[in-house]
Amino acid sequence: DAGITQSPRHKVTETGTPVTLRCHQTENHRYMYWYRQDPGHGLRLIHYSYGVKDTDKGEVSDGYSVSRSKTEDFLLTLESATSSQTSVYFCAISDRTERNTGELFFGEGSRLTVL
Amino acid sequence: ILNVEQSPQSLHVQEGDSTNFTCSFPSSNFYALHWYRWETAKSPEALFVMTLNGDEKKKGRISATLNTKEGYSYLYIKGSQPEDSATYLCVRDYKLSFGAGTTVTVRA
Repeated sequence: DAGITQSPRHKVTETGTPVTLRCHQTENHRYMYWYRQDPGHGLRLIHYSYGVKDTDKGEVSDGYSVSRSKTEDFLLTLESATSSQTSVYFCAISDRTERNTGELFFGEGSRLTVL
Repeated sequence: ILNVEQSPQSLHVQEGDSTNFTCSFPSSNFYALHWYRWETAKSPEALFVMTLNGDEKKKGRISATLNTKEGYSYLYIKGSQPEDSATYLCVRDYKLSFGAGTTVTVRA
């Protein structure tokens, strides 16, 4: 199994509070991704990173920011959590080539509930 | 097609029967198509990564085909077993956003 750890695995927070989810990898893969899982939508890309300090937005990036100061860590921050951000968040990594052929390896998910 | 679309959304299969379902995607500037299997309470796992038009890949009783010119891929399950029950996701390369998946339930 690919070495991917997400923390926390479960979190309950209140509307308006900041939340940071961490994704840690031991595979030295260049690419890291944050997805959210919602019924009827599958997995939607929030942000991704293609290297240290190199990040880009996905299709549902509003309300989220990311940082990658080290190869192994990719942080997802909700500056002011809203109830619509209640979801399960998955981190994924890949060693993809320029042509996106590398398969994704997923973490176990972080369940966030915003009250 | 602007996004990745999967159909049907769900299907029920009798044990032993074969089935297939579709992933449709934008065909322009194609690089790769991925298929993932997602079991309940687990994380998605890769089945196939397909890059060439006409590609066919197989893993056990599961196989996939790819048509990059018309923008579709089929996933086939031969002789379905209860352990094949899962959601099957496809994703095209561009910013790697997934289709909503096809949820397969195999009845014993």
